[in-house]
Amino acid sequence: AQSVTQLGSHVSVSEGALVLLRCNYSSSVPPYLFWYVQYPNQGLQLLLKYTSAATLVKGINGFEAEFKKSETSFHLTKPSAHMSDAAEYFCAVTLSGGYQKVTFGIGTKLQVIP
Amino acid sequence: GAVVSQHPSRVICKSGTSVKIECRSLDFQATTMFWYRQFPKQSLMLMATSNEGSKATYEQGVEKDKFLINHASLTLSTLTVTSAHPEDSSFYICSARGRGRRIATDTQYFGPGTRLTVL
Repeated sequence: AQSVTQLGSHVSVSEGALVLLRCNYSSSVPPYLFWYVQYPNQGLQLLLKYTSAATLVKGINGFEAEFKKSETSFHLTKPSAHMSDAAEYFCAVTLSGGYQKVTFGIGTKLQVIP
Repeated sequence: GAVVSQHPSRVICKSGTSVKIECRSLDFQATTMFWYRQFPKQSLMLMATSNEGSKATYEQGVEKDKFLINHASLTLSTLTVTSAHPEDSSFYICSARGRGRRIATDTQYFGPGTRLTVL
């Protein structure tokens, strides 16, 4: 079975500051890892995914994440926060191949302060 | 890119009635569709997985007779909440995985969600 832990249900950053959202995973086999963003009353939009290729993954809207096996982490970063980045972010894990059940973290709500 | 739509986006119904939610893949063939439920300020909980032409597989604790799922074609899945009660009020989100041009077969693409309120 696999699981993800998102540290910090709420994160606040100033506009222009670094965004760091933490995600640690647990999986008995090599995982696929995802970050999704959800705006209020909307579905989830895929930001980026790790599928056992490059460990540093670049996504949309300037976000990137690095897969660190030794730390079982897949933290999401963005060098400079924009007001439009305010949303809920979900880390998710599934088994390699992507054809198994996807397990989501509890989500981190990002607040951007002007 | 892959687009998944849901209809309706919001629905309010009386207790005891049934509500049908549609999930469509607009530009790809959805061989597998997933239905999630999201309570306020919580994560997504998988309710069931359906493969086109097959019966849905429900997660433990989800009543299959209450949440009827049909995946009759490669572009449409429906979730029917039967005899809805106030505790069924929630945000229901579908996702799809499949094949098509410019989509990744190993990625789930999500619909915009349906807000169900049962009075």
